[in-house]
Amino acid sequence: GAVVSQHPSWVICKSGTSVKIECRSLDFQATTMFWYRQFPKQSLMLMATSNEGSKATYEQGVEKDKFLINHASLTLSTLTVTSAHPEDSSFYICSARLKADTQYFGPGTRLTVL
Amino acid sequence: THLLEQSPQFLSIQEGENLTVYCNSSSVFSSLQWYRQEPGEGPVLLVTVVTGGEVKKLKRLTFQFGDARKDSSLHITAAQTGDTGLYLCAGAQGAQKLVFGQGTRLTINP
Repeated sequence: GAVVSQHPSWVICKSGTSVKIECRSLDFQATTMFWYRQFPKQSLMLMATSNEGSKATYEQGVEKDKFLINHASLTLSTLTVTSAHPEDSSFYICSARLKADTQYFGPGTRLTVL
Repeated sequence: THLLEQSPQFLSIQEGENLTVYCNSSSVFSSLQWYRQEPGEGPVLLVTVVTGGEVKKLKRLTFQFGDARKDSSLHITAAQTGDTGLYLCAGAQGAQKLVFGQGTRLTINP
């Protein structure tokens, strides 16, 4: 149980295009999902908290117009990187909260912007 | 600076040796999780500790939560090459987001 999937697992795009990443909780409902960014050989950095049916809460320094989050259902949250640039290239990981304090992570999406 | 300080950040030892990874903070956490992450994959939850002083064992891995719920440790006995990976501790403050440590990159040499 507690499986979280992400799609796509990797994506390469041209600078200026937008990319959508999906995060799904496969066997449980999650009112709260989280989006993280991870640079090589570093720990996870929380970008935003995604709440079903309401606006996402962004961490300080994260541009909400750049990283659009939609949590339309209890099993799906999406992160759209708008007008992507090479500096947006990173490993993006989502997690879903099954119960208080415990998060289960997706396998991650490697984004490369050319 | 990290709210959760993990040490060591890098550790390379021989197969069969024992090791301990520490996770320290000046803040109190309602719970603390340990994750293991392999390259190109998401973190996998190993354990959640909730009660101060709690000890949990997972085969050769022993996890301890400090009495004051500010620190935790992960001890691996007789390390194997399959234990290689990035180990992350994460503290929860209430029912919201997790605060991650910097991670410990562990390499077990055959």
